[in-house]
Amino acid sequence: DSGVTQTPKHLITATGQRVTLRCSPRSGDLSVYWYQQSLDQGLQFLIQYYNGEERAKGNILERFSAQQFPDLHSELNLSSLELGDSALYFCASSPGWTQETQYFGPGTRLLVL
Amino acid sequence: DQQVKQNSPSLSVQEGRISILNCDYTNSMFDYFLWYKKYPAEGPTFLISISSIKDKNEDGRFTVFLNKSAKHLSLHIVPSQPGDSAVYFCAASATGNQFYFGTGTSLTVIP
Repeated sequence: DSGVTQTPKHLITATGQRVTLRCSPRSGDLSVYWYQQSLDQGLQFLIQYYNGEERAKGNILERFSAQQFPDLHSELNLSSLELGDSALYFCASSPGWTQETQYFGPGTRLLVL
Repeated sequence: DQQVKQNSPSLSVQEGRISILNCDYTNSMFDYFLWYKKYPAEGPTFLISISSIKDKNEDGRFTVFLNKSAKHLSLHIVPSQPGDSAVYFCAASATGNQFYFGTGTSLTVIP
C-alpha cells in the first residue's frame, strides 16, 4: 500500500459526459501528479500540482482540468468525454516538487461508451 | 515523440536465472532514472533509481546500470523469482522537469 488513495476504482460513462476523479496523497506529500495510461501505452504525464499550485503541465487536453485543494487532495475533471479517453488514470504523490520518487495510487479505470 | 523506449514488450525467464530489462532514451539532458514494477489492478511501485553521476546502483536482487554515452539503462534481477512477474516501467527526467515513462516490459518468470 503506497498510501495514495484514488476514488472511484472504476467508472463507466457515456460520450459527452463529465467525470471527476479524486486523489488523496500520502501524508506529508505536497506534490500530486496525474497520469493517463491507455492500452499498450506508457504512462503519459498530464499535470502536477505542488502545495495547491500548478507546477508542471504535460499532455493534458483542454477538456481536462485539475486542481489541488488546501487539504492537498486533488481532483481531475474530464469533460466532453470521447471514446478515446477510456484509460487508466493514475495519481502519484511525492514530498517535494521535482525529481524524486513518486508513489502511485491504484488508479481509476475509466470506460467511455 | 517517445523520449523513453522499452523495445521489448515481453520477456520470459526461468526461475533462478537473470532477467535483464532494457530501456533507451533520447534526451541527453535526462539525469535521473527510475524503475517501477506494476502488478495487474495495482498502481506502479517504485523499485530502484539511479542518477547520472553513477553508472550502477544495487538494491538486493535488483541492479540498475546506466550507460550515458549510449543513452541506455538496464535493470538486472538476479535470481529471478516467480513473484517478480509483473510489468516493469522505466522513467527518466531532466532536473526540474517531468518524468517520461516507457511503455513497459512484461516479465514472466517461469517456475
